[in-house]
Amino acid sequence: AAGVIQSPRHLIKEKRETATLKCYPIPRHDTVYWYQQGPGQDPQFLISFYEKMQSDKGSIPDRFSAQQFSDYHSELNMSSLELGDSALYFCASSLGGARASSEAFFGQGTRLTVV
Amino acid sequence: AQKVTQAQTEISVVEKEDVTLDCVYETRDTTYYLFWYKQPPSGELVFLIRRNSFDEQNEISGRYSWNFQKSTSSFNFTITASQVVDSAVYFCALSEYSSASKIIFGSGTRLSIRP
Repeated sequence: AAGVIQSPRHLIKEKRETATLKCYPIPRHDTVYWYQQGPGQDPQFLISFYEKMQSDKGSIPDRFSAQQFSDYHSELNMSSLELGDSALYFCASSLGGARASSEAFFGQGTRLTVV
Repeated sequence: AQKVTQAQTEISVVEKEDVTLDCVYETRDTTYYLFWYKQPPSGELVFLIRRNSFDEQNEISGRYSWNFQKSTSSFNFTITASQVVDSAVYFCALSEYSSASKIIFGSGTRLSIRP
């Protein structure tokens, strides 16, 4: 069965550069979530989208922005990268919005390293 | 405020032993969802189970079983006859109906199964 696809899997950027992470949800899923997991930490919620509209916002820095496109894929844009942004970034998708009965499935993550 | 506590940071058992991972949660909502995710060394987050607050029935799936007790705000996870492939970090998580797109994770329990 198709899963959540994230690209790239690994990314190395220098400080102050910009990065774009992409997420392709499971087919027919209309809800996308982004999480950040620092080394040895638990995943922290960043932002979510339902039907191309932002539905909830967590601890996402102002330097980050995200959107969900008409084909339901989502992109997380990160500017002025800092060393502390080095983390595993997860995307998850579900069907019918976060309050629906569908569970959220996570992608394999993008490991971002800022040097 | 919502909070998930996994008091066991690390557990190590010998293969074929049974092991229980503890999870205690806090929430003010009467409607909420509880999850368990597995994160193997490869890094991806694997969905194991989602339970809503109105369903207190225990669940068994193969060697995995979950014990949900609202009276003690606990959602414990037991692996029977553990195997080396069960070695991973296990996260318990909670989302409240009022902000269902925000899944709050516990700090995780690192489970090591020795041959």
